[in-house]
Amino acid sequence: DAKTTQPPSMDCAEGRAANLPCNHSTISGNEYVYWYRQIHSQGPQYIIHGLKNNETNEMASLIITEDRKSSTLILPHATLRDTAVYYCIVRVAMYSGGGADGLTFGKGTHLIIQP
Amino acid sequence: GAGVSQSPSNKVTEKGKDVELRCDPISGHTALYWYRQSLGQGLEFLIYFQGNSAPDKSGLPSDRFSAERTGGSVSTLTIQRTQQEDSAVYLCASSLRRQGAGGANVLTFGAGSRLTVL
Repeated sequence: DAKTTQPPSMDCAEGRAANLPCNHSTISGNEYVYWYRQIHSQGPQYIIHGLKNNETNEMASLIITEDRKSSTLILPHATLRDTAVYYCIVRVAMYSGGGADGLTFGKGTHLIIQP
Repeated sequence: GAGVSQSPSNKVTEKGKDVELRCDPISGHTALYWYRQSLGQGLEFLIYFQGNSAPDKSGLPSDRFSAERTGGSVSTLTIQRTQQEDSAVYLCASSLRRQGAGGANVLTFGAGSRLTVL
C-alpha cells in the first residue's frame, strides 16, 4: 500500500471549515483513499473514501488532486465534537486473497476544534 | 445487530492469566478484523477472517495470541499467560468484503475492549 503523510496536529475554530491535508505521492491507480477518525476512547469511525473523483457525504467532502498524489478532507462547519485523530489511508481496491484486506493506520492528524 | 459489539468493554487481569475477548460483527459481514491499540499509539493489525478461508494471522505478536471465528459470525480473541505489555485496547471491525470482490472496503469498528494486565 502507498504510504501517507499527514501533519501531526491542527487547530480549527468552531464553526469554520477544517481542511485536513494528506500526501500520498506513491499512490497507484487501483488504490482508494479512505478517511477515518477516532474520537477519544472510541473505535475508529469511517468518514469517506474516493478513487479519482471528489466525493461528498453528510459528514465531509474529499478533494483528490488530479494527479492523485494528495487529498484534502473538508469538514465544512467544524464543531467541538469533531475533535479527534483523523487517519488518511490508501488501500488497493481489488482483494485477491491470501492476505489481510484491512487498512493500515498511521499516526494521523490530531484535529483540535477551538471554541 | 446494528453495529459491531465487543465484550467485555473493560478487563483487568493479573499477569499470567488467560483472557478471552469477544466480537459480534454486523450481521452479514463476511470479513472480520482484530486490531490492538496501545496507549498513545496507532492501530496494529492482528488477525483477519474472510468467509471460510484460512485466517491471516500474520499480525499476531506471539503464539500466546489466538483467535477463532465460529459459524462465520462471532469471534473470540484469546491471550494466554498475559503479560503487562499486552495492556491495550483491542478493536474488532467487520466489513462486507467478499473474496474475489473489488471496490472499496469500508470497515465498521466496535468500541473496543480495554485490557489492563497488572
